[in-house]
Amino acid sequence: DGGITQSPKYLFRKEGQNVTLSCEQNLNHDAMYWYRQDPGQGLRLIYYSQIVNDFQKGDIAEGYSVSREKKESFPLTVTSAQKNPTAFYLCASTYSHSYNEQFFGPGTRLTVL
Amino acid sequence: KQEVTQIPAALSVPEGENLVLNCSFTDSAIYNLQWFRQDPGKGLTSLLLIQSSQREQTSGRLNASLDKSSGRSTLYIAASQPGDSATYLCAVKKADTGKLIFGQGTTLQVKP
Repeated sequence: DGGITQSPKYLFRKEGQNVTLSCEQNLNHDAMYWYRQDPGQGLRLIYYSQIVNDFQKGDIAEGYSVSREKKESFPLTVTSAQKNPTAFYLCASTYSHSYNEQFFGPGTRLTVL
Repeated sequence: KQEVTQIPAALSVPEGENLVLNCSFTDSAIYNLQWFRQDPGKGLTSLLLIQSSQREQTSGRLNASLDKSSGRSTLYIAASQPGDSATYLCAVKKADTGKLIFGQGTTLQVKP
């Protein structure tokens, strides 16, 4: 069954802690993305990767970090430098960054306690 | 700067009605436009993708049109059902960066 998986579904973090959100795809897609969704603000791009071992900052990269060591995996770390991390985080992927349809995972809801 | 606007923000219709959701964008330099559906607390489901050279795409009861020159797209839903209740998002892929720019969505409620 092909698709994008994100784990965990819910994540709680204490202030000052780093946390890592997992995103895995078995669609053989080259490009992967992380978005943040807040009520009333729509989806905003955090980081994206067009190919293994390469990634670029999106519109709101401050306080986040990523790695792309394998084609299938694109983990996102939310660091303590991120001032307002409570949000719904969505991972996406596509065959080609420029032309193709983008598919999304089920999301991770992060809450800072 | 590319901006994407969706009107209305919310819509409530009785079951069986045909309806149109609107999406407008400010910069016509796009690769494609994609319509998504999002249920509460869930990820986005891709409904239709229209390449910049195309005028429309159809899937079942859904039909999406694209007028790149005027910066507009519509999503037509025929014979609406309560199961269609969700938030519908449109997004354009910028030709210069390849990034998707999203509208804020239209929340649809179809009443039985």
